[in-house]
Amino acid sequence: EVQLVESGGGLVKPGGSLRLSCASSGFTFSLYSMNWVRLAPGKGLEWVASIDGSASYIYYADSVKGRFTISRDNAKNALFLQMDSLRAEDTAVYFCAREYRYSYGFDAWGQGALVTVSS
Amino acid sequence: QTVVTQEPSLSVSPRGTVTITCGLSSGSVSTNHYASWYQQTPGQAPRTLIYSTNTRSSGVPDRFSGSILGNKAALTITGAQADDESDYYCLLYVGGGITVFGGGTKLTVL
Repeated sequence: EVQLVESGGGLVKPGGSLRLSCASSGFTFSLYSMNWVRLAPGKGLEWVASIDGSASYIYYADSVKGRFTISRDNAKNALFLQMDSLRAEDTAVYFCAREYRYSYGFDAWGQGALVTVSS
Repeated sequence: QTVVTQEPSLSVSPRGTVTITCGLSSGSVSTNHYASWYQQTPGQAPRTLIYSTNTRSSGVPDRFSGSILGNKAALTITGAQADDESDYYCLLYVGGGITVFGGGTKLTVL
């Protein structure tokens, strides 16, 4: 069974940093591109970043480019999101999502980690 | 900046049929955009319904279907049930490794 479990969420002040982790199991992690998607209060889903299986191709939404860094450790089956220079508008539940191997879109999701940016 | 458009809200009667569409602010949606659809219920992770325009995700009942209608992607729910009341989002691949969600459609079953 495919499992994705996020951790590392919490309360942080504006301008601060936070690192999210996503532990995976039940599949060959290195074969899949992985993504972060967020859901802000009262807003819609927003794709944040993606990374391919070998970490050769990395992409970001304009809203986080230059502030967030996606990475992975295939030996530990883990995905990360380093979030720096956080703003109030980054407050959201952050989901780790596995991408389809031969298509676009996401076929597995974690339960989410809440990040609150507030003074 | 690419904007993906959806109806903000729709309603459907129980056992009725409803179609949610997904368009682009500039241009038409085609199969090259690999449209996918997600159901989002508060407090839960999104549930994947459709990918690659019209392929149902594992375990999704066949009353959910995806297609291209005119210049938009579409999600059609036939025989709507009370627990279909939820938020629905489309996702389009717009090139350069970038995917964009639509603004979401709040579906009411009444």
